Amino acid sequence: NAGVMQNPRHLVRRRGQEARLRCSPMKGHSHVYWYRQLPEEGLKFMVYLQKENIIDESGMPKERFSAEFPKEGPSILRIQQVVRGDSAAYFCASSRQLDSGNTIYFGEGSWLTVV
Amino acid sequence: QQQVKQSPQSLIVQKGGIPIINCAYENTAFDYFPWYQQFPGKGPALLIAIRPDVSEKKEGRFTISFNKSAKQFSLHIMDSQPGDSATYFCAASITGGGSNYKLTFGKGTLLTVNP
Repeated sequence: NAGVMQNPRHLVRRRGQEARLRCSPMKGHSHVYWYRQLPEEGLKFMVYLQKENIIDESGMPKERFSAEFPKEGPSILRIQQVVRGDSAAYFCASSRQLDSGNTIYFGEGSWLTVV
Repeated sequence: QQQVKQSPQSLIVQKGGIPIINCAYENTAFDYFPWYQQFPGKGPALLIAIRPDVSEKKEGRFTISFNKSAKQFSLHIMDSQPGDSATYFCAASITGGGSNYKLTFGKGTLLTVNP
């Protein structure tokens, strides 16, 4: 999973604040995915983006969550008005293209704690 | 609805033992089954993957066994070492139709290998 860069690694927010998580994909990768890992749970898919496009956001909560992958710069997962239930590890992953090899590389995660 | 069920939740073996982790899936459309290894504070890393056209795949000390009719697959770690102590996740996805990025994960197995 070397190469997918996420920051911050750890983030503490008070209830009601905003959290912004950033992800730079591996070099040469144009597909970005965000997953969330709740305590003692497996990872759950949130959203799939390509440059300037949201391809699939079927895993995103309906409210307060948004994601973007601008033409320049990292992908950003934004959580508005955070609540305690948003406390989780958020993993970004990237891939070259959706080929049959399906190799998706994960970053080291951003751990969000809402107090 | 949990589509991939993983067991056991935790497993302790002695060095040299052969831990076995099992997963069962419900969606018969799944056709890609990877295993990920995750160390504390790190992102999941792809360990080995299998497709349903083969019943077994071996890479180094790691072997996946696949039973299509039973909709089950398992990970075996030969000659386990303390460095293998980590959380292991099975996953599944559908590679057709452009949705192969949407991995469905099991809840994970915490493996401890005692020296």
